[in-house]
Amino acid sequence: KAGVTQTPRYLIKTRGQQVTLSCSPISGHRSVSWYQQTPGQGLQFLFEYFSETQRNKGNFPGRFSGRQFSNSRSEMNVSTLELGDSALYLCASGLAGPSYNEQFFGPGTRLTVL
Amino acid sequence: AQSVTQLDSQVPVFEEAPVELRCNYSSSVSVYLFWYVQYPNQGLQLLLKYLSGSTLVKGINGFEAEFNKSQTSFHLRKPSVHISDTAEYFCAVSGLNDYKLSFGAGTTVTVRA
Repeated sequence: KAGVTQTPRYLIKTRGQQVTLSCSPISGHRSVSWYQQTPGQGLQFLFEYFSETQRNKGNFPGRFSGRQFSNSRSEMNVSTLELGDSALYLCASGLAGPSYNEQFFGPGTRLTVL
Repeated sequence: AQSVTQLDSQVPVFEEAPVELRCNYSSSVSVYLFWYVQYPNQGLQLLLKYLSGSTLVKGINGFEAEFNKSQTSFHLRKPSVHISDTAEYFCAVSGLNDYKLSFGAGTTVTVRA
């Protein structure tokens, strides 16, 4: 079974631009979560989607948004990029059944904002 | 809300020696607890999880952890480390009814020959 895939793996943007990152979950997984990882703030939860609905949201400004498609693939968008948005963005997918299911992480997208 | 404190930011250890990584959590409700490992330029891999039941949890690659509710701790141990265990380790917590993980700051383990 293929793992979680994220595209692109590396991205360089300039301040003020906007960026879209993509995440394809493991086949059959309906929950997709996004995390931001930086040296200063560590790993922080951005949001979680299940069946195309945002179920949970972290404490990030409105410039960070996401969506999930009917095939469970997810995208996150960051508008008006700031230098502080440089980070590794990790996506995780899970079955999200009635009991806990493990979340599987992708390799991440490394975003550099210049 | 839940939070996690990893008490050691860096742990150097010699090959074949034991290692313990300390994790304390804070929560007003019952939680699930996890340890993840991150190798350079990779995502996170689950080492082990505590959901309920036995407080001693065994994971992959010879790691184990003990859940202590009275001390709100979930320390990770391995009796004998290998060079390949060099990585960053994260303790994480989630509520019982959500998929949001709250992570500690991470512990960098460096194994030397």
